[in-house]
Amino acid sequence: EIVMTQSPATLSVSPGERATLSCRASQSVRTNLAWYQHKPGQAPRLLIYGASTRATGIPARFSGSGSGTEFTLTISSLQSEDFAVYYCQQYNNWPLWTFGQGAKVEFK
Amino acid sequence: QVQLVESGGGVVQPGRSLRLSCAASGFTFTTYGIHWVRQAPGKGLEWVAVISYDGANKYYADSVKGRFTISRDVSKNTVYLQMNSLRAEDTALYYCARDYHYGDHWGQGTLVTVSS
Repeated sequence: EIVMTQSPATLSVSPGERATLSCRASQSVRTNLAWYQHKPGQAPRLLIYGASTRATGIPARFSGSGSGTEFTLTISSLQSEDFAVYYCQQYNNWPLWTFGQGAKVEFK
Repeated sequence: QVQLVESGGGVVQPGRSLRLSCAASGFTFTTYGIHWVRQAPGKGLEWVAVISYDGANKYYADSVKGRFTISRDVSKNTVYLQMNSLRAEDTALYYCARDYHYGDHWGQGTLVTVSS
């Protein structure tokens, strides 16, 4: 089983600042890695797939990088609507999915 | 546009059963697999099960294997999750998601509470 570990668990950021979230896989998932944004009462929203490709309609301030076991989601200039929980998810052993435990981006 | 709408949640006693539905629209249903993912209160997302585009292949998380069954009805563009022998730890918001290897579209979820 592939275990996904996200850090930090909580990130306190001011609007306009840069946010960097990390995700580590227990074994290589190549670039079969997606990032989601999740707000209470809403459906999870796909942000990034293939480790670095933005999904349709996702603003350019969101970027993803990494391959193998180390991945990063960067929000270049945080907007008020970006405060949410972010999950990484591996699909290297598709169709089985594994999610990280989530990382909360909160207002500083 | 692509829509996934979950229904069927509710309050149920431990050991009882419940069937969730995921109604799909806005895309060719027979072309995509569908996943169920849940979120327990205060916890993160947990993958539950997946059914292939043609219903031929089904996979389950170890935590639900032998208790939950996923199926699909092409005539109704709907995927079901039959949940038997429910436990308190199955209490969660259950989401369905369209499979594109990752989940490119998700529903809003349906809440299942297992409590006596």
